[in-house]
Amino acid sequence: GENVEQHPSTLSVQEGDSAVIKCTYSDSASNYFPWYKQELGKGPQLIIDIRSNVGEKKDQRIAVTLNKTAKHFSLHITETQPEDSAVYFCAASKGFGNEKLTFGTGTRLTIIP
Amino acid sequence: GAVVSQHPSWVICKSGTSVKIECRSLDFQATTMFWYRQFPKQSLMLMATSNEGSKATYEQGVEKDKFLINHASLTLSTLTVTSAHPEDSSFYICSARDRQGIFPTNEKLFFGSGTQLSVL
Repeated sequence: GENVEQHPSTLSVQEGDSAVIKCTYSDSASNYFPWYKQELGKGPQLIIDIRSNVGEKKDQRIAVTLNKTAKHFSLHITETQPEDSAVYFCAASKGFGNEKLTFGTGTRLTIIP
Repeated sequence: GAVVSQHPSWVICKSGTSVKIECRSLDFQATTMFWYRQFPKQSLMLMATSNEGSKATYEQGVEKDKFLINHASLTLSTLTVTSAHPEDSSFYICSARDRQGIFPTNEKLFFGSGTQLSVL
């Protein structure tokens, strides 16, 4: 089955700096890669996703890049703000028709004011 | 985005009792819902896939008689933890897929806010 690894497990950055979280996946058939933000005591919230036919996607301060050959994808957050502090999870699935998500182990991001 | 409502948000129960958790899609129909379990500072582990009108599909190692799942309508799935014990204490999260979403958005999963179960 799919295995998703995520690094780093914790990340602290100064407010205003950029944060990068990286994930690798094992199943070459995976073609849908969402990123979720989870705040303490809450369920995950989808913040951005990318499909395998696209190499990069951006939404304001958040961007995701995908290297399908190397089977890795990354989350980039620019101009970080205190409210970006949370746990971030990457995930992978085979997409439409098979929505079973395999999650990474999570990254606790702390923005230092 | 679509809204998934999960209740209760937290529950404390005595060992040996059963606890029911509800997951509702509020503004869309969901033929498939997923139930996850999350231990502190760990990732989400899929427990089972809940299919409307049919039996749930359980992941390896998850006891189907322990975690009863019912998906009786297109907007409601329930997870019942039967004869709960302290080791069942965990954060339980459901997610649902918008069946009527337009491809490629229909693969998006929306999560409930989670239920913290504490078994004494």
